[in-house]
Amino acid sequence: NAGVTQTPKFQVLKTGQSMTLQCAQDMNHNSMYWYRQDPGMGLRLIYYSASEGTTDKGEVPNGYNVSRLNKREFSLRLESAAPSQTSVYFCASRLGQLSGYGYTFGSGTRLTVV
Amino acid sequence: DQQVKQNSPSLSVQEGRISILNCDYTNSMFDYFLWYKKYPAEGPTFLISISSIKDKNEDGRFTVFLNKSAKHLSLHIVPSQPGDSAVYFCAATSRDGATNKLIFGSGTLLAVQP
Repeated sequence: NAGVTQTPKFQVLKTGQSMTLQCAQDMNHNSMYWYRQDPGMGLRLIYYSASEGTTDKGEVPNGYNVSRLNKREFSLRLESAAPSQTSVYFCASRLGQLSGYGYTFGSGTRLTVV
Repeated sequence: DQQVKQNSPSLSVQEGRISILNCDYTNSMFDYFLWYKKYPAEGPTFLISISSIKDKNEDGRFTVFLNKSAKHLSLHIVPSQPGDSAVYFCAATSRDGATNKLIFGSGTLLAVQP
């Protein structure tokens, strides 16, 4: 099915470990986004890529890095995980100028850092 | 400082009644507003949107109202059904520029009682 695919769905890390969250979309969308969802905080933008070859910081970029590998894939890396990064991470994409349906989201990665 | 606020963390209504979810924003540059619905363990899905040039948009049981002078929007669901039970996020953006970043509220958990 067309859409946004995130892997893994669940992950437990120890403090200080590193990992990469993968995101891929098959809708030929130009822009891709990484959000985190925390209780009472809603969805907060970590990083985004307006088009292939560009990346920019969002509201909460500290502790993360991203790579826009190609038009389809946008990965999020935690170099040294901290308990404060325990969250649910969502990747999203959109075609171009904002249309009526906004973003398409993946189903999320639930990350726990112990 | 939150630019998009949903002050009610939760709402409970009876099946068949009206559900009204509220959202306030502070940034006068926002000109496009969206509502997303999220079930547990799934990504948010687009529900309905409204441009700042309108004050109402209707789609079946869902209607969004925008009061620009008060910087307030609301989502009405009539009649409410048990399947509407979910977290509802309000989001806003400014459509000029290439990024069209969505700024989300903290969400409202709607419970529709049979």
